[in-house]
Amino acid sequence: NAGVMQNPRHLVRRRGQEARLRCSPMKGHSHVYWYRQLPEEGLKFMVYLQKENIIDESGMPKERFSAEFPKEGPSILRIQQVVRGDSAAYFCASSPRSAGNTIYFGEGSWLTVV
Amino acid sequence: AQTVTQSQPEMSVQEAETVTLSCTYDTSENNYYLFWYKQPPSRQMILVIRQEAYKQQNATENRFSVNFQKAAKSFSLKISDSQLGDTAMYFCAFTTWETSGSRLTFGEGTQLTVNP
Repeated sequence: NAGVMQNPRHLVRRRGQEARLRCSPMKGHSHVYWYRQLPEEGLKFMVYLQKENIIDESGMPKERFSAEFPKEGPSILRIQQVVRGDSAAYFCASSPRSAGNTIYFGEGSWLTVV
Repeated sequence: AQTVTQSQPEMSVQEAETVTLSCTYDTSENNYYLFWYKQPPSRQMILVIRQEAYKQQNATENRFSVNFQKAAKSFSLKISDSQLGDTAMYFCAFTTWETSGSRLTFGEGTQLTVNP
């Protein structure tokens, strides 16, 4: 799972700013997932993407949050106008295919909103 | 909707002893996968073990093994010969066989402390 690369590892933003988190999946993996872990809680699914497509965004907050996985480059999770409640660890994961394959996680990006 | 329940928020064990972490889940699906992930103080999510629901044989990975009881919807993790490095938060996770993706549903976690 060390192959899923996330950056930055730590990000501090003031309320109202934008946060951009990047994720490069493991080599050969075309499926990317974003999860959020609030303090003292388990991981919660946010969004599932394949190249240039959002497959399932049922876990994404309706406003301020967006995700993309372009044909070239990393997947990006964007949070606009951040609030203190957005402070959390954001994990990216990838898998080679869908349908029950093991999902491997990156090391996470820790967002702190001050 | 699928749910995963870990009823033990915290557990502790002495080094070299055996400990079992509990996990139950609820689903109406017949084909699914179960996982245990470990999150040490570094906060990285590390896959410990995986079980396919169609397999009757319990999965084993070195000192880690599971007791998968499909009828009871139970999926416990046994750690043998516990080591200090096993100290971590352990999450049970579930995913169904879906052609559109493999989103995981996690339990709330069990904090395991291995004492010297």
